[in-house]
Amino acid sequence: QSVLTQPPSVSAAPGQKVTISCSGSSSNIGNNYVSWYQQLPGTAPKLLIYENDKRPSGIPDRFSGSKSGTSATLGITGLQTGDEADYYCGTWDTSLSAGVFGGGTKLTVL
Amino acid sequence: QVQLQESGPGLVKPSETLSLTCTVSGGSISSYYWSWIRQPPGKGLEWIGYIYYSGSTNYNPSLKSRVTISVDTSKNQFSLKLSSVTAADTAVYYCARGVFDPYCSGGSCYYYYGMDVWGQGTTVTVSS
Repeated sequence: QSVLTQPPSVSAAPGQKVTISCSGSSSNIGNNYVSWYQQLPGTAPKLLIYENDKRPSGIPDRFSGSKSGTSATLGITGLQTGDEADYYCGTWDTSLSAGVFGGGTKLTVL
Repeated sequence: QVQLQESGPGLVKPSETLSLTCTVSGGSISSYYWSWIRQPPGKGLEWIGYIYYSGSTNYNPSLKSRVTISVDTSKNQFSLKLSSVTAADTAVYYCARGVFDPYCSGGSCYYYYGMDVWGQGTTVTVSS
């Protein structure tokens, strides 16, 4: 099982908004910064959000990130069928001295 | 634009050593934390470890006894060796460019570690 906990799946209709949660502890999310990655089917992961809420160049503002305590949230608005993918949260775990990921959430756009 | 490309055998026998190389093009391997991540079939991402361009390393505690990551700055490459492999090591192996920034204030440090450029991945199957 993963150090960070994500829901296995979420779904919403095109044009709607969805949020994906990522739960951890004080040794990881609680005291470090979170990244989010998008993995489209059959492709490598892509950085979507870094340092909790920053978007790399080229990532649309439909994607947002936030953190509160030992949990982080990825938000996606104006859902498109092209957003169907697996989404992973990641961070540094200070106790483990290691990078850690969530188990991933599969987004279905109905 | 920096690009990463994994290379190495796609099939490794049980108990042998898996060896992969990641070639960095379009930029220097200097700076950054060059990382390896794997993804077993149908499963999530697992962090394997990183190497800083100067040679310092950090490994996943669950794999530490079997993993070695090295860097060759003259070739702009870094490599992964995983020894004593079993079927559980069958996965897509990704190399990635990592950013690791400490933010320290008042005696406490907070860390950002993330991977901003990824290779396309290479499938490694462990089977006799």
